[in-house]
Amino acid sequence: DVKVTQSSRYLVKRTGEKVFLECVQDMDHENMFWYRQDPGLGLRLIYFSYDVKMKEKGDIPEGYSVSREKKERFSLILESASTNQTSMYLCASSSRRKNYGYTFGSGTRLTVV
Amino acid sequence: GQQVMQIPQYQHVQEGEDFTTYCNSSTTLSNIQWYKQRPGGHPVFLIQLVKSGEVKKQKRLTFQFGEAKKNSSLHITATQTTDVGTYFCAPLLYNQGGKLIFGQGTELSVKP
Repeated sequence: DVKVTQSSRYLVKRTGEKVFLECVQDMDHENMFWYRQDPGLGLRLIYFSYDVKMKEKGDIPEGYSVSREKKERFSLILESASTNQTSMYLCASSSRRKNYGYTFGSGTRLTVV
Repeated sequence: GQQVMQIPQYQHVQEGEDFTTYCNSSTTLSNIQWYKQRPGGHPVFLIQLVKSGEVKKQKRLTFQFGEAKKNSSLHITATQTTDVGTYFCAPLLYNQGGKLIFGQGTELSVKP
């Protein structure tokens, strides 16, 4: 029973391309998050959203944007992909009804060439 | 901003040995969560600690929250190969939309 679904497991894009990473959750969670994970750097927060159409910058928002038009969907957009955005991208959702414990998606490994 | 230091970064144990990872903060935490990430997998929520001095157990795993709420620990008794993975602590920021700040994690390897 998959609850947070990321659209792609592996993705290869060219430098300069606009890239869309999609995340859908079916738990009616109000909070959604995008992290990237790199060896030696841990999990770093890119953007998060605590309600539809709301977004907040995380620690490393440069080069990224997000969209949350519906409660269940949170999209991460790389406006012009660069090689330093090659990474594992993890989406997560949480709810105050569930004590804010995160449920993560399986991740998207993005390679920018 | 809020940060936590997690130690050790790596731990290699023989199967059956105990393992402990520590999470330290310079500021008082409202609560803290723990996650496990298997190799090639994604982080999975283990537990949340809220009260000062709180101790919670999940089978061979024991989680503690310090009396001053500035540190936390995870102890695994008699490790098994299934315990392999990276363990993360993460303080929760209630006033920032339920945002978590993840520690760097402790990578545990278990030799059979």
